[in-house]
Amino acid sequence: NAGVTQTPKFRVLKTGQSMTLLCAQDMNHEYMYWYRQDPGMGLRLIHYSVGEGTTAKGEVPDGYNVSRLKKQNFLLGLESAAPSQTSVYFCASSYQGSYSYEQYFGPGTRLTVT
Amino acid sequence: KQEVTQIPAALSVPEGENLVLNCSFTDSAIYNLQWFRQDPGKGLTSLLLIQSSQREQTSGRLNASLDKSSGRSTLYIAASQPGDSATYLCAVNGVGAGNMLTFGGGTRLMVKP
Repeated sequence: NAGVTQTPKFRVLKTGQSMTLLCAQDMNHEYMYWYRQDPGMGLRLIHYSVGEGTTAKGEVPDGYNVSRLKKQNFLLGLESAAPSQTSVYFCASSYQGSYSYEQYFGPGTRLTVT
Repeated sequence: KQEVTQIPAALSVPEGENLVLNCSFTDSAIYNLQWFRQDPGKGLTSLLLIQSSQREQTSGRLNASLDKSSGRSTLYIAASQPGDSATYLCAVNGVGAGNMLTFGGGTRLMVKP
């Protein structure tokens, strides 16, 4: 049982390039989340999904797109990377909503945009 | 808008001490509060989840309390060990916030041998 995994672990992009971050979970969780963590700003929710085929915006969704084609995977895309998107990105999942169930986090992806 | 504050931002204690980390939140309408541990360069590990109807939760040497009406939670660590050194984050799930957790800035704990 690997829990929540993320690929890649590190990435350096140039401004304007695109990339996709992959999150996978093997706990059969319905809900999945993407956060970014910045010094002095804490963790902030980018997008989340309440089930296969669904997505919803979080606190800081601009510049990102997401897809949940399979229950176990949640993809975060950057179409045209900007230096302001330099951050550490965390994926999380929970059995159902955060109303009652704890969120489990992946190890993170450290992204630098130059 | 919900705001979560953790005090102190950093704490250094000798091994064996009991210690308390504080978390306060501005809106008492919450579903639950979760405490996490984050090691440098790593992800978050869930420590304890307290539902809004609960007063406390315990796991080993950890005890978390919740006073929803005053907007406060504490994480008590008994008999601290060097392996407890990490950043501790609290996060609240507020009513009407969907599934969004609002995080505090964390307390960076160092336990010296």
